[in-house]
Amino acid sequence: DQQVKQNSPSLSVQEGRISILNCDYTNSMFDYFLWYKKYPAEGPTFLISISSIKDKNEDGRFTVFLNKSAKHLSLHIVPSQPGDSAVYFCAASPGGATNKLIFGTGTLLAVQP
Amino acid sequence: DAMVIQNPRYQVTQFGKPVTLSCSQTLNHNVMYWYQQKSSQAPKLLFHYYDKDFNNEADTPDNFQSRRPNTSFCFLDIRSPGLGDAAMYLCATSGSMDTQYFGPGTRLTVL
Repeated sequence: DQQVKQNSPSLSVQEGRISILNCDYTNSMFDYFLWYKKYPAEGPTFLISISSIKDKNEDGRFTVFLNKSAKHLSLHIVPSQPGDSAVYFCAASPGGATNKLIFGTGTLLAVQP
Repeated sequence: DAMVIQNPRYQVTQFGKPVTLSCSQTLNHNVMYWYQQKSSQAPKLLFHYYDKDFNNEADTPDNFQSRRPNTSFCFLDIRSPGLGDAAMYLCATSGSMDTQYFGPGTRLTVL
């Protein structure tokens, strides 16, 4: 049972435009959400996170939105750059001392020059 | 100034031949994790250590073991690798916050 779902396996966007990556979750106990970026042959790199007490968190070109009632979060990248091309993983945590993460299957973002 | 280091980056082993993957960290984090990631799939947590306290996921096969001799190091032992164990193995650490920091991974090939 996939508790964190990224239904779009891939997304293609023009350089300079907005990229919107989506993620849905099923467990209402999740209280912390993260986005990771992964290049081929490398480990995931932390990008941005959001606590369930917020509905928006912004860091430079990256903004994460959380809609708890819909159990949905999204990552907005504005403006998109070719270097943003990577696989983006959404992850959720039920909290607690050990911070276990449940990952989605990832979305491959291709930013076309 | 690498923070989570994994060695080797690429490991080739034979079917049934034990293999050990290593992870070290310079972050002094008290939690360390091992994930398995197969192509086009989500990283799957195998187990984690909270300090010396070992926590195995319910569906992690017995073939996978781990050791954490000190805060900085953690090892993943695969006692009898099968073809289905070929994957990327990711080590991660976390401190008091929820964010996990990953190493570059070890790509395991089983012949």
